[in-house]
Amino acid sequence: DQQVKQNSPSLSVQEGRISILNCDYTNSMFDYFLWYKKYPAEGPTFLISISSIKDKNEDGRFTVFLNKSAKHLSLHIVPSQPGDSAVYFCAASEGQSNFGNEKLTFGTGTRLTIIP
Amino acid sequence: GAVVSQHPSRVICKSGTSVKIECRSLDFQATTMFWYRQFPKQSLMLMATSNEGSKATYEQGVEKDKFLINHASLTLSTLTVTSAHPEDSSFYICSARLRGAGNSPLHFGNGTRLTVT
Repeated sequence: DQQVKQNSPSLSVQEGRISILNCDYTNSMFDYFLWYKKYPAEGPTFLISISSIKDKNEDGRFTVFLNKSAKHLSLHIVPSQPGDSAVYFCAASEGQSNFGNEKLTFGTGTRLTIIP
Repeated sequence: GAVVSQHPSRVICKSGTSVKIECRSLDFQATTMFWYRQFPKQSLMLMATSNEGSKATYEQGVEKDKFLINHASLTLSTLTVTSAHPEDSSFYICSARLRGAGNSPLHFGNGTRLTVT
């Protein structure tokens, strides 16, 4: 049962344009969402996150949008750069606490290719 | 910033042997570390949650006697794949979060590519 889904396995975007990566989830208990970027043979690197009390969070070129009613989030990258080419995973967790032991559920990833 | 170091980055072993993978938090204490596995073109799947000073919590379908986890200190967790088989070949990644940091992002190691021949 895939609770976090990324329906697009790959995406190609022209350099300078906007990249939009989508993610859907089914577990209504998820209340914290993150995007990770991963290069081959490396561990994921944290990009940006959003709490369920917000609907938008922005950090430089990266913006994450959350639509709770639709159980959908998206990552916008603008302008896209060649170095953005990687696999992007969205992830979710449930339970806001300070124990630090909440596990993440990952999507299947979207391979983003930026075309120079 | 916080760094998680994982070793080795790549290992090839024969069927039936055991392999130990180390995960260290380099400049922070991690009460909890997580072990993930990723098969080619698939998502990262959580295998187990490693808790310092206590038994690990395994996800459904993960054999605790096959994947031994030891979290002996606040900076080190180890995963031992016992009696490895070719189907255990995968990319294993550990992660940790700053102690008491709640929903702060997980920091990941660079992973270990295990190939069992």
